[in-house]
Amino acid sequence: EVQLVESGGGLVQPGGSLRLSCAASGFTFSSYAMSWVRQAPGKGLEWVSAIGGSGDSTYYADSVKGRFTISRGNSKNTLYLQMNSLRAADTAVYYCAKSYTIIRNWGQGTLVTVSS
Amino acid sequence: DIQMTQSPSSLSASVGDRVTITCRASQGINNYLNWYQHKPGKAPKLLIYDASNLETGVPSRFSGSGSGTDFTFTISSLQPEDIATYYCQQYDNLPPTFGQGTRLEIK
Repeated sequence: EVQLVESGGGLVQPGGSLRLSCAASGFTFSSYAMSWVRQAPGKGLEWVSAIGGSGDSTYYADSVKGRFTISRGNSKNTLYLQMNSLRAADTAVYYCAKSYTIIRNWGQGTLVTVSS
Repeated sequence: DIQMTQSPSSLSASVGDRVTITCRASQGINNYLNWYQHKPGKAPKLLIYDASNLETGVPSRFSGSGSGTDFTFTISSLQPEDIATYYCQQYDNLPPTFGQGTRLEIK
């Protein structure tokens, strides 16, 4: 059974940093692209970033480009999202997802709140 | 970026009703169109992939159709457990983009 468990969310001040992690199990992690999708309060789903299985290819939404960095540790079956220069608009539940095309598996989400 | 325009943004229907949601892409997307169900506090759930393929384990009252730029999602007989927000998503081009969502309520 595929499991994706996010961690690392919390309250951070504007301009601050946070690193999210997603522990994956139940599949061959290194064989799959992974992505992050977020949902701001009262808003819809927004794709944030994706990374290829080997980690060589990374993709970002314009709204986070230059501030967020996606990476993965295939030996640890873990996906990461380093978030810098955080803004109030980044406040959202962040979901880890297996793939960025047809997303069959999602984590339960971790809440990031950017506020002073 | 490909824009996905979903309508309506909210919908109220009775148990047993047929419910239809539409999604229009700003350019052709080769049927690379998925539909998700999202309930509060839960992870989104894939219902339909590649425009018309029912995901394994999803009840047959859910269906999808369409091609090119215009797509339709249908619940043939609304059940109380179907209350959720529904999203279309294209993955023909990066970035993958979602529609703005349709909030479905029971009348």
